[in-house]
Amino acid sequence: AQSVAQPEDQVNVAEGNPLTVKCTYSVSGNPYLFWYVQYPNRGLQFLLKYITGDNLVKGSYGFEAEFNKSQTSFHLKKPSALVSDSALYFCAVRDPLNAGNNRKLIWGLGTSLAVNP
Amino acid sequence: DSGVTQTPKHLITATGQRVTLRCSPRSGDLSVYWYQQSLDQGLQFLIHYYNGEERAKGNILERFSAQQFPDLHSELNLSSLELGDSALYFCASSPGQGLNNEQFFGPGTRLTVL
Repeated sequence: AQSVAQPEDQVNVAEGNPLTVKCTYSVSGNPYLFWYVQYPNRGLQFLLKYITGDNLVKGSYGFEAEFNKSQTSFHLKKPSALVSDSALYFCAVRDPLNAGNNRKLIWGLGTSLAVNP
Repeated sequence: DSGVTQTPKHLITATGQRVTLRCSPRSGDLSVYWYQQSLDQGLQFLIHYYNGEERAKGNILERFSAQQFPDLHSELNLSSLELGDSALYFCASSPGQGLNNEQFFGPGTRLTVL
C-alpha cells in the first residue's frame, strides 16, 4: 500500500539558518511527489513536484527538494529561512502505476515550521 | 489568488441540518477535488471528480455527497450534520485527471456545527 510520512510534527529554525522538512514515502512503483504549503487561514499552495528527471527540484519561494530513491525520501529544503516561511507544510505522493481509486494522491499529516527571528 | 473560488467562506449551522458547499475550479481545469481539514484528523481527501464523473473516493462519509456539473463547478452536500463535521472544507482543481499535475486550492469554507 502506498503511504507518506512526515516524521516531525514541528520544526523550529532560526531566521537565516538552513531548514529541512522531512518526507518519506512508500509506493510500489516510481512515485510522483509533491510539496504544498499552507499559511494561516489560507488554502494550500503548490511549492514543487518531482515527476521524473533531475533528482533536485527547485520550486517557489527559494525552496528545493531532493528525490532520493534509495532512501525513499523527498525532503524539502531552503538554504536560508525567513520568518515568513512559518507555515504548515504537506508532502504528498502518488503511484502513477496504480489504477482507479488507488491513483489518488496520498497526503502526509503536515509539519509545522516555525522560523524564529 | 489560485483562481479557485469557494462559497460561502463561513457557515454556521446546527446538528442534524444539511448544507451545500460550492466550488468553481480554475478556468479550463476539468478535475475537482474536495478535502476536509480538522485539527484532530489533519487533511483528509474526500472525493475527486473529472469532467462530471467520479474518479476517486477517499474518507467520505455516507452522509456526504458531491457532484460536478456540466459547467464544471462542484457542490459538496453534507447532511445530518454532527459536531464532528466542524472543519475547513477545501476544494482544489487541476487540469486533466491530475496524475502529474499540481492541485490549485480554493480559500476554503469554514463549517461550524453547533
